[in-house]
Amino acid sequence: EAQVTQNPRYLITVTGKKLTVTCSQNMNHEYMSWYRQDPGLGLRQIYYSMNVEVTDKGDVPEGYKVSRKEKRNFPLILESPSPNQTSLYFCASSLYGYGYTFGSGTRLTVV
Amino acid sequence: QKEVEQDPGPLSVPEGAIVSLNCTYSNSAFQYFMWYRQYSRKGPELLMYTYSSGNKEDGRFTAQVDKSSKYISLFIRDSQPSDSATYLCASEIQGAQKLVFGQGTRLTINP
Repeated sequence: EAQVTQNPRYLITVTGKKLTVTCSQNMNHEYMSWYRQDPGLGLRQIYYSMNVEVTDKGDVPEGYKVSRKEKRNFPLILESPSPNQTSLYFCASSLYGYGYTFGSGTRLTVV
Repeated sequence: QKEVEQDPGPLSVPEGAIVSLNCTYSNSAFQYFMWYRQYSRKGPELLMYTYSSGNKEDGRFTAQVDKSSKYISLFIRDSQPSDSATYLCASEIQGAQKLVFGQGTRLTINP
């Protein structure tokens, strides 16, 4: 089944403890993105990647890092999480750069 | 002003009704227009995408884009309780690798 898989689905962590949210797609897509979804603010792009080793900032990149060492994987790294990074996170991928397929989401709580 | 504006609703209609969901946008550079459906605790699911102006039909769903008025619409015919979800419109500039989302409209179809 063609899909974008994120792990974990739910995560509660403490301020400052480094964490990684993994994202993997099995569709051989070139383009991948990370979004966060917050009430009243909607979905906002954090980072995106156009191919292996090619990444760039979205609208809200502060406090996040990404890497794209393999085509299928695009992990999101929070080096020192803070409570304002409590959110619902989505990874998405696309073959052409539009019409993205989204993962099921990771609900992160930072206390 | 947000680049893509969408009435958050909620919108409640009886089963079988025709539903009209709308968005407006301000950036005339947008060329791709998408509708996503998001069920509770799930990721956004791509329903339809349109390039530039025009209509696109897929089963009970019709998407319309009017670039002259910067208006995006989604029509659902013969609505079903299973259509109850949040509907998100999104726009993208070709090559920008970023979806700009509306707030989403929460729709409930009552049996």
